[in-house]
Amino acid sequence: IAGITQAPTSQILAAGRRMTLRCTQDMRHNAMYWYRQDLGLGLRLIHYSNTAGTTGKGEVPDGYSVSRANTDDFPLTLASAVPSQTSVYFCASSEGQGSSNEQFFGPGTRLTVL
Amino acid sequence: GQNIDQPTEMTATEGAIVQINCTYQTSGFNGLFWYQQHAGEAPTFLSYNVLDGLEEKGRFSSFLSRSKGYSYLLLKELQMKDSASYLCAVADSNYQLIWGAGTKLIIKP
Repeated sequence: IAGITQAPTSQILAAGRRMTLRCTQDMRHNAMYWYRQDLGLGLRLIHYSNTAGTTGKGEVPDGYSVSRANTDDFPLTLASAVPSQTSVYFCASSEGQGSSNEQFFGPGTRLTVL
Repeated sequence: GQNIDQPTEMTATEGAIVQINCTYQTSGFNGLFWYQQHAGEAPTFLSYNVLDGLEEKGRFSSFLSRSKGYSYLLLKELQMKDSASYLCAVADSNYQLIWGAGTKLIIKP
């Protein structure tokens, strides 16, 4: 593994189904993030984690949950998917929360909810 | 509210110079980032400015004026591979990144 990986690459999901998007990093970064990217909008932060064992809500957290059991993994769960959650989801990580810490992004998961 | 504005799309010619502007209004300021995103790919880091002035990195330069809430990304000697979206993001008072919608740059031969 080099950097950040996400799985699956893409998924088509029926509305009402539960889905977990996986994210793993091997850079030993403390902070991790989940964003969604929709056409015409900037990246929007869903949830974040500043360090293992802690999580926080971002700009658009409703309908999503996360956990951070260890440094490397940061899964995002949609408890009951709705069509408005159709989007491209990016996981990112940074060394810390400091201002100069650039974020490194995974390749993304393209999710379609029907 | 928090707001990042950048042009939706720009067109430039191979070999030329292009300037992509970004204006921002955020609750606090802890630096401004520029990222490049090719279609269908993840964003990748280009530059970071926290003090006023110009930061140069090869063909790319980034400028910041905190008093004006303004930044620009300057790309010189444009190449076809520079065709991408360029994302401006500001770290707010909580160090969370607020992102602009991105500027799609089209390079013509």
